[in-house]
Amino acid sequence: KAGVTQTPRYLIKTRGQQVTLSCSPISGHRSVSWYQQTPGQGLQFLFEYFSETQRNKGNFPGRFSGRQFSNSRSEMNVSTLELGDSALYLCASSSRKETQYFGPGTRLLVL
Amino acid sequence: GDSVTQMEGPVTLSEEAFLTINCTYTATGYPSLFWYVQYPGEGLQLLLKATKADDKGSNKGFEATYRKETTSFHLEKGSVQVSDSAVYFCAHHGSGNTGKLIFGQGTTLQVKP
Repeated sequence: KAGVTQTPRYLIKTRGQQVTLSCSPISGHRSVSWYQQTPGQGLQFLFEYFSETQRNKGNFPGRFSGRQFSNSRSEMNVSTLELGDSALYLCASSSRKETQYFGPGTRLLVL
Repeated sequence: GDSVTQMEGPVTLSEEAFLTINCTYTATGYPSLFWYVQYPGEGLQLLLKATKADDKGSNKGFEATYRKETTSFHLEKGSVQVSDSAVYFCAHHGSGNTGKLIFGQGTTLQVKP
């Protein structure tokens, strides 16, 4: 079975721009979660989607948003980028609330 | 609130040494517990898990036992290899076993030949 895939793997943006990251879950998994990883804050939960509905949301500003499509693929969007948004963004998929399997991540650098 | 606390790193060991990375958690109830490993430049890989008290998770020579009395899930390996050098994260699903994983801060392990 193919694992979780994330595109793009690397991104460079400038402050004020917006960015969209994509995640394709493992086939059959309907839950997708997003996390932000930074050296200072570690791994922080952004949001979780299940069957196209946001089920949980972390403590991030409204500039961070996401959605899930009918095929379970998910996207997250960050608008009005700030320097502090530079991070590794990880997507994980799972079957309901079971074990989460992570993708390789998208590394975002904001200049 | 829910949290996970790991021993601070970096942990530096010689090849074939015994490894212990401590992990304690706070949560209401008994959430599933996980250890993930992250190699440089990569995402997280599931190393092992335990879903109920006294369960022992094991994989690739690593083991961890779910101890509800001490709210701990310490990671152990009898003989580490250079290829085990990575960052190790302890995590749980949070009270009510939500889809949100709560992670410790990570422990960097460096194994020297």
